[in-house]
Amino acid sequence: GDSVTQMEGPVTLSEEAFLTINCTYTATGYPSLFWYVQYPGEGLQLLLKATKADDKGSNKGFEATYRKETTSFHLEKGSVQVSDSAVYFCALSDQGGSEKLVFGKGTKLTVNP
Amino acid sequence: ETGVTQTPRHLVMGMTNKKSLKCEQHLGHNAMYWYKQSAKKPLELMFVYSLEERVENNSVPSRFSPECPNSSHLFLHLHTLQPEDSALYLCASSQVAGGQETQYFGPGTRLLVL
Repeated sequence: GDSVTQMEGPVTLSEEAFLTINCTYTATGYPSLFWYVQYPGEGLQLLLKATKADDKGSNKGFEATYRKETTSFHLEKGSVQVSDSAVYFCALSDQGGSEKLVFGKGTKLTVNP
Repeated sequence: ETGVTQTPRHLVMGMTNKKSLKCEQHLGHNAMYWYKQSAKKPLELMFVYSLEERVENNSVPSRFSPECPNSSHLFLHLHTLQPEDSALYLCASSQVAGGQETQYFGPGTRLLVL
């Protein structure tokens, strides 16, 4: 079945450091790919998404590119802020009309001043 | 109020209690979902309602009983829960139009079963 694997956390960075959170997926079709973010005490918020190969999703300085050849959707940000501290989830939605999202385990990011 | 709201935000219950979680979406969507988020485990999809019909039940124990009276409201009725059911329960909604629609999440209900 479909699955998402993302790098184990936690990740701790200093403010203004470069961030990469790796995400790879396994899917039988051509899924849409998502990054969700969960701030402490809150639900999940959509951060960005990409629906086809070579699409780049971007939001709030975060970017991720849908790489079909490497089945990856790595999240990057050039300069993180303390306010970016959260748990980040990579997810996919399959093509088959199912409304199902498959999530990775989440990566906790802590940014120190 | 906008987005997806959930009440209560926190709930403590004994194993013999009966309680209900409520979710309401103000986005005009036609699909709603219940997820369970436990520590150190991926989010688990529990139920999916599309156009007010249940379209998916991921082998959830019968002590969890969903109800979707209309496209804006979703309930999760709880009875005789176990301590391992303690988790964050998240509701989400989306507009179903052909697959791969974005889901929007509520803030969750933090449940503790004693």
